[in-house]
Formats: sequence, structure tokens, C-alpha cells
Amino acid sequence: DSGVTQTPKHLITATGQRVTLRCSPRSGDLSVYWYQQSLDQGLQFLIQYYNGEERAKGNILERFSAQQFPDLHSELNLSSLELGDSALYFCASSVEARAEAFFGQGTRLTVV
Amino acid sequence: AQKITQTQPGMFVQEKEAVTLDCTYDTSDPSYGLFWYKQPSSGEMIFLIYQGSYDQQNATEGRYSLNFQKARKSANLVISASQLGDSAMYFCAMSNFGNEKLTFGTGTRLTIIP
Repeated sequence: DSGVTQTPKHLITATGQRVTLRCSPRSGDLSVYWYQQSLDQGLQFLIQYYNGEERAKGNILERFSAQQFPDLHSELNLSSLELGDSALYFCASSVEARAEAFFGQGTRLTVV
Repeated sequence: AQKITQTQPGMFVQEKEAVTLDCTYDTSDPSYGLFWYKQPSSGEMIFLIYQGSYDQQNATEGRYSLNFQKARKSANLVISASQLGDSAMYFCAMSNFGNEKLTFGTGTRLTIIP
């Protein structure tokens, strides 16, 4: 158990809908990262938050947004969902920005 | 820009043998970290081992060691005495110290044969 909790584990939704993925980092970790894993794109970095502030942005679509709350949990919001958004979404956390990141179990999103 | 290359899409290894998973990287930044993660069929990403670019010695964690050859820009993972539970996808990744996101390779699927 990495100590990073992601909910839900599985999500099935229709095209055009909006979903929210939730992540609770390991106790004491200030940095939260979101990654997307799909068959065609592999593992891609989406966005990073550090102590509530956005720190880095990767290949995140404009339809996607995220935030980190004062208690350090984070949410990834995906809207106007398309079939191609079906993927495994990982949250990871680290104690500081330079340390190794520990991953949650992922949320498997299926858009039908 | 950072790039990770894993050239072995799949490997089959006999149980109890040692196995080396290849990883080469490319970066112009002198300060970086190299990571290996294991992804079993259940899907979670398990951190295995870390090597910093300024570390003088190769990293080791139990049966895992990282063969770090800086001049060749390679960071191969060595698993000693392989076990059936080692069957999984293995990802090499790197981050630069000014940009902490991980860049992943395409992975190697390791299958341990009894």
C-alpha cells in the first residue's frame, strides 16, 4: 500500500458527461501529480500541484482541470468527455518536489 | 526535453535467474533523477528504486539494483533471483530537478517462467 488513495477505482460514463476523480496524498506529502495512462499514449503527465499551488502543466486538455485543497487532497475534473478520454488516471504524491513519487491505485475511466 | 527509451517490449525469463531490463535516457540537464516502477496486472504503479545523477554508487533495494552508466546515459534495472511475482510491466522514468514531473518510457513486459 503506497498510502495514496484514489476514488473511485472504476468509473463508467457517457460521452459529453463530466466526472471528478479524487486523490488523497500520503500523509505529509505536499506535491501531487496527475498522470494519464492509455494504450496509444502511454503514461503522460497532466498536472502538478505543490502545497495548493499549480506548479507544472503537461499535456492536459482544456476540458480537464484540477485543484489541490487546503487539506492537500486533489481533484481532477474531466468534462465534455469523449471516447478517447477512456484511460487509467493516476495520482501520485511526494514529500517534496524532488523526491520519488508514490502512486495511487488509479481510477479506470471508461467513456461509452 | 527529456526522453526515456526502453527497447525491450517483452522478456521471458526462467524463475530464479537474474534479469536486466534496459533503459536509456536523454536530457541536457546535469541534475536529474532516474526511477523504476513496476505495474502488475492489477494496475497499480509500485515504486522500486531511485538513482540521482550525482550519486556515486549504484542504487540497490533488496533484489533490485540499478546499473547506472552516466556516460552511456543508461539506467538498467537488474532483478536478482527472479520470482513468479516479478511478472509485470516495468517502467523506467526520469525527472529533472527543475521540473519534477516524471517522463516515462514505453515499458517492458516481464514474464517469469516456472
